[in-house]
Amino acid sequence: DGGITQSPKYLFRKEGQNVTLSCEQNLNHDAMYWYRQDPGQGLRLIYYSQIVNDFQKGDIAEGYSVSREKKESFPLTVTSAQKNPTAFYLCASTPSPGSGANVLTFGAGSRLTVL
Amino acid sequence: GQNIDQPTEMTATEGAIVQINCTYQTSGFNGLFWYQQHAGEAPTFLSYNVLDGLEEKGRFSSFLSRSKGYSYLLLKELQMKDSASYLCAVMDSNYQLIWGAGTKLIIKP
Repeated sequence: DGGITQSPKYLFRKEGQNVTLSCEQNLNHDAMYWYRQDPGQGLRLIYYSQIVNDFQKGDIAEGYSVSREKKESFPLTVTSAQKNPTAFYLCASTPSPGSGANVLTFGAGSRLTVL
Repeated sequence: GQNIDQPTEMTATEGAIVQINCTYQTSGFNGLFWYQQHAGEAPTFLSYNVLDGLEEKGRFSSFLSRSKGYSYLLLKELQMKDSASYLCAVMDSNYQLIWGAGTKLIIKP
């Protein structure tokens, strides 16, 4: 079955460490997204990529980095510069960007806790 | 600024009907989405409205009024498995999604 696989599901990090969250999709979707979800807040966009080897900052990109070397993969690195990284991270994809009826398919999420 | 408002929490009884409201103020409008999210899981797509009116899909219906900046999600014949958060999101003129904080729906037997 096609879908998005995120790993790990749970991750603990010490302060000062960088961690990388994996996101792989086999849907042949062009666009991929990383969102952060915190209690009581709407999803916030970290980074998105509409095509291989290209990506754009979202609303809260500071302290995060991404790469898009392959169409299927869009890993997110949470760097030590991110001051409050404890959150639930969601990866998503859509067939093509820039159209109204673009339905997001989400991965199961990765919960990052900083100790 | 852009804003999506929806109630934080609602409670309903199994078998009943519940309406979850969403009001929005955004820079342009290219459609409104409703997603369902069970605790600790990924959101899943429920509905998309771009024209005014009611869209019905089984037990779930979604309504849109663009002139009022208003939508609602109507859930009929509630089941315990409908206990979840319901997320409203609007696509703005730049095709970026603006998300509400979600409404946690609690279903009681």
